[in-house]
Amino acid sequence: DIHLTQSPSSLSTSVGDRVTITCQASLEIINHLNWYQQKPGKAPKLLIYDASNLGTGVPSRFSGSGSGTDFTLSIRSLQPEDIATYYCQQSYNLPLTFGGGTKVEIK
Amino acid sequence: QLQLQESGPALVKPSEALSLTCTVSGGSITRSSYYWGWIRQPPGKGLEWIGSMYYSGTTYYNPSLKSRVTISGDTSKNQFSLKLSSVTAADTAVYYCARFQPGGSYGRPSVSDYWGQGTLVTVSP
Repeated sequence: DIHLTQSPSSLSTSVGDRVTITCQASLEIINHLNWYQQKPGKAPKLLIYDASNLGTGVPSRFSGSGSGTDFTLSIRSLQPEDIATYYCQQSYNLPLTFGGGTKVEIK
Repeated sequence: QLQLQESGPALVKPSEALSLTCTVSGGSITRSSYYWGWIRQPPGKGLEWIGSMYYSGTTYYNPSLKSRVTISGDTSKNQFSLKLSSVTAADTAVYYCARFQPGGSYGRPSVSDYWGQGTLVTVSP
């Protein structure tokens, strides 16, 4: 199985700040890396697919980058509604696997 | 707008089978290219892919669960189902059904673009 390591596991920041979350894969996955946002009590929502493509209806303050083994999710200017846990997921090979999650909180 | 809705028992006894159904509206599970499947999340923990199916019957399962999992579809009802046998407390989780785009290296289940709201299944005597 491909293991994904997310960091940090949690962060506390201010509205308007730039947020960066990283995801490292245990082997090269080209660009087959996706990002999801999960708010408490809700299903995950697709944010970014294939490393850098914005999901339908996702605000442009979200962006993704990376290839190979190292990937980044960025939030340009954090908004209160962005408080959530973010997960990366690899779709290079089965089984599909997820990172451990990054919980984003407001200071 | 595509919608998915899970249904099934909220409580299952240890050693018994967990059975859930996902009803799809706003689109057909027989539409070519898409896969349909299940992801679970134990309380307070991360996400685990259980498996996915294509309407033609092709299935892919997580090897960690493969011996206990069956995913099947009912095209007449536009539904697909999950059966997980011999459950233990470790199977207590929120179970999500989802649509998967084809992709990755081999055109297999890839990114999940539509999810159900999830249903909590507790395994307890």
